[in-house]
Amino acid sequence: AQKVTQAQTEISVVEKEDVTLDCVYETRDTTYYLFWYKQPPSGELVFLIRRNSFDEQNEISGRYSWNFQKSTSSFNFTITASQVVDSAVYFCALSVPIKAAGNKLTFGGGTRVLVKP
Amino acid sequence: AAGVIQSPRHLIKEKRETATLKCYPIPRHDTVYWYQQGPGQDPQFLISFYEKMQSDKGSIPDRFSAQQFSDYHSELNMSSLELGDSALYFCASSLYREIQETQYFGPGTRLLVL
Repeated sequence: AQKVTQAQTEISVVEKEDVTLDCVYETRDTTYYLFWYKQPPSGELVFLIRRNSFDEQNEISGRYSWNFQKSTSSFNFTITASQVVDSAVYFCALSVPIKAAGNKLTFGGGTRVLVKP
Repeated sequence: AAGVIQSPRHLIKEKRETATLKCYPIPRHDTVYWYQQGPGQDPQFLISFYEKMQSDKGSIPDRFSAQQFSDYHSELNMSSLELGDSALYFCASSLYREIQETQYFGPGTRLLVL
């Protein structure tokens, strides 16, 4: 069984501060995929980034960056120079390709980020 | 770019009534997923379909059924509705063999059972 844990339930920052969201996952499978999704107050789920278990290279995409470490089963996500529009709930999710297609996402509990002006 | 379309966006039903939620995946996507998100909770996987066949099944109540049609759209049928079914229902779609099978979500259908 898979499990995703986001220990931070809520983070409050002032605009332009950096925000790092923690994510720890559990799986016995050697092949898996990790994702971050954003859920703004309007309610939709927006795909942000993805990583597979064979690629530990950390990257930066605009104001987003991520730190994937298999040794600690962590997939942390950072927003640099936060903006008010970044206020949302952020979900870390895990998928294991058990079936050929249609594999479910297992979500963490989410971290609510509040960016104050 | 075209996104996942869900209808209706909002739905109010009475207990014991039935409801049908519809999902139209991103063009060319062949895999559809349904998730349920209760207030303040993370999304929970219900069921998925690939090429009109059920692919994976999660904690979907027996009162719910779903299917994927030849045009790849999907419908989630919910019967004997209970107060606890009040939630945000998401549909997501992906393309088989796309790298890491990324799921793109629709805006959700907010169901309120009174």
